[in-house]
Amino acid sequence: DQQVKQNSPSLSVQEGRISILNCDYTNSMFDYFLWYKKYPAEGPTFLISISSIKDKNEDGRFTVFLNKSAKHLSLHIVPSQPGDSAVYFCAASGSGSARQLTFGSGTQLTVLP
Amino acid sequence: GAGVSQTPSNKVTEKGKYVELRCDPISGHTALYWYRQSLGQGPEFLIYFQGTGAADDSGLPNDRFFAVRPEGSVSTLKIQRTERGDSAVYLCASTRSPGGFNEQFFGPGTRLTVL
Repeated sequence: DQQVKQNSPSLSVQEGRISILNCDYTNSMFDYFLWYKKYPAEGPTFLISISSIKDKNEDGRFTVFLNKSAKHLSLHIVPSQPGDSAVYFCAASGSGSARQLTFGSGTQLTVLP
Repeated sequence: GAGVSQTPSNKVTEKGKYVELRCDPISGHTALYWYRQSLGQGPEFLIYFQGTGAADDSGLPNDRFFAVRPEGSVSTLKIQRTERGDSAVYLCASTRSPGGFNEQFFGPGTRLTVL
């Protein structure tokens, strides 16, 4: 039973264009959502987050959108750069007192020069 | 200061052996988490410490897995009688406090291979 789903295992975009990564969740108790970026042989690196009281959060080239009614969030990267090529994980917390993260299975983003 | 560190970075062991994996969290972070990441999957929660005590160990797969954090800083994940299915990357994360909306900071992980 996957509570957080990333249905696209991979995505390729041209440098300078927009990258859109999608994530769906099923647990209505989740109240905090995060995106992590992961390079090979490294741990996940925090990118951006959003709480359930907001529908948008922006940080430089990265914007996260949250649609609570659809239980859907997305990460937009504009403009995309070759250095953005990595695996992106969507994560959610709030369903447990430990506030542990529940992760999706990741999307491999490749930005082509 | 430094980020979360984990040792060893790689561990190869034989089926049935005992292993210990170490995590050194960011200084001052009271909350510490262990996760396990299998190939092609996202990290999965194992156990959470607030200070010295294991406040939530609901993610541990069975009683072969155990973790300690005796002084509220460094934590050790212990796996007894390892099995091939235990092969994965074990990640440690820390955060200032689990309450509210705080991101977790991850270490580089320990890649465990059970032959």
